[in-house]
Amino acid sequence: ENVLTQSPGTLSLSPGERATLSCRASQSVSSNYLAWYQQKPGQTPRLLIYGASTRATGIPDRFSGSGSGTDFTLTINRLEPEDFAVYYCQQYATSPFTFGPGTKVDIK
Amino acid sequence: EVQLVESGGGLVQPGGSLRLSCAASGFTFSIYWMSWVRQAPGKGLDWVANIKHDGSEEYYVDSVKGRFTISRDNAKNSLYLQMNSLRAEDTAVYYCARPVAGGSYDFWGQGNLVTVSS
Repeated sequence: ENVLTQSPGTLSLSPGERATLSCRASQSVSSNYLAWYQQKPGQTPRLLIYGASTRATGIPDRFSGSGSGTDFTLTINRLEPEDFAVYYCQQYATSPFTFGPGTKVDIK
Repeated sequence: EVQLVESGGGLVQPGGSLRLSCAASGFTFSIYWMSWVRQAPGKGLDWVANIKHDGSEEYYVDSVKGRFTISRDNAKNSLYLQMNSLRAEDTAVYYCARPVAGGSYDFWGQGNLVTVSS
């Protein structure tokens, strides 16, 4: 099983700042099959990034993904009030598909 | 508009059974793999199972193998999860989800709470 670790666990930032979230895999993620999701309390997850760096439909360009192999990053430029949420990474290269434990981005 | 609407959750005793359903609309259901993903209260996301578009292949997380069965009826645009021998640790919100681009999930159902408790 490819275990995903996310850091930090919580990121406290102010609106307008940049958020940098890390996702590290225990094994290389082939074909960069790595996705990022946003989840707000009481809501379903929302796909932000797939293929490590491709924004999903309708996702603002302040969200960007990068990385390959075992190290991936989600960057949120100029945090908006609606961006404060929990973010999960997911690998879908090998079964079982696995999710990271999440990074909570909260308001400082 | 793509919609995934789950039903069938609720409270069940340990060792009991429950069947979840997911009604799909707004897309050609029969050409997509489909998945179930769950989220225990206050916890993260866990993939549960996948099924190929024609139902010919199924994959499960180890913790549910032999207890859960994913199935589909393409004529009814519906996905199912039969859950047997339920345990307290199966308590979660269960989402049906549509995988795209290899397995990222672009559409999710609203979620259905399954509580396993005596």
